[in-house]
Amino acid sequence: NAGVTQTPKFQVLKTGQSMTLQCAQDMNHNSMYWYRQDPGMGLRLIYYSASEGTTDKGEVPNGYNVSRLNKREFSLRLESAAPSQTSVYFCASTRTSGERTDTQYFGPGTRLTVL
Amino acid sequence: AQSVAQPEDQVNVAEGNPLTVKCTYSVSGNPYLFWYVQYPNRGLQFLLKYITGDNLVKGSYGFEAEFNKSQTSFHLKKPSALVSDSALYFCAVRDKWVTGGGNKLTFGTGTQLKVEL
Repeated sequence: NAGVTQTPKFQVLKTGQSMTLQCAQDMNHNSMYWYRQDPGMGLRLIYYSASEGTTDKGEVPNGYNVSRLNKREFSLRLESAAPSQTSVYFCASTRTSGERTDTQYFGPGTRLTVL
Repeated sequence: AQSVAQPEDQVNVAEGNPLTVKCTYSVSGNPYLFWYVQYPNRGLQFLLKYITGDNLVKGSYGFEAEFNKSQTSFHLKKPSALVSDSALYFCAVRDKWVTGGGNKLTFGTGTQLKVEL
């Protein structure tokens, strides 16, 4: 039982390049989330998927797109990377969207640098 | 909107001394509060949560948190700090419930805890 996994662990991009961050969970969770972590700003929600087949914007969605590929996988795409997207990206999941006190489980993160 | 504040960027404490990491919250409705810990180059790990009931919540690694409704606070505590407790600590609050909206959290900015010998 690996929990939440993310690939890649590290990535360096040039401005304008595109890439997809992958996330998968093996806990049969319904809801999945993408955050970015920046110094002094905590974690900010980019997009989330409350259940398979749905996605919604979070606090900072500009410049990103997501795909909930199936119940296990939730990917984050940067179509044209910008230096402002240099950050650490975390994926998380929760068991159900109907349980209000669900605990979020986090992946190990992807450290992205955009030059 | 729900929010949490962590007023201290860093807390320093000597090993063996008690530690407190502060968090205050602002919510409409019942507060559902969480503490997470992040060790260097790792993801966030769940420590404890407050749902309802006892104001003192016990969690992992000997941590506990005290919920105070009148002061809208949820401070993280440990009676005797260890060097291995040095990490980044985040307080979080459940966003206002919307059916089918997922269990979104709003995080504080984090407090770096440094425990020294």
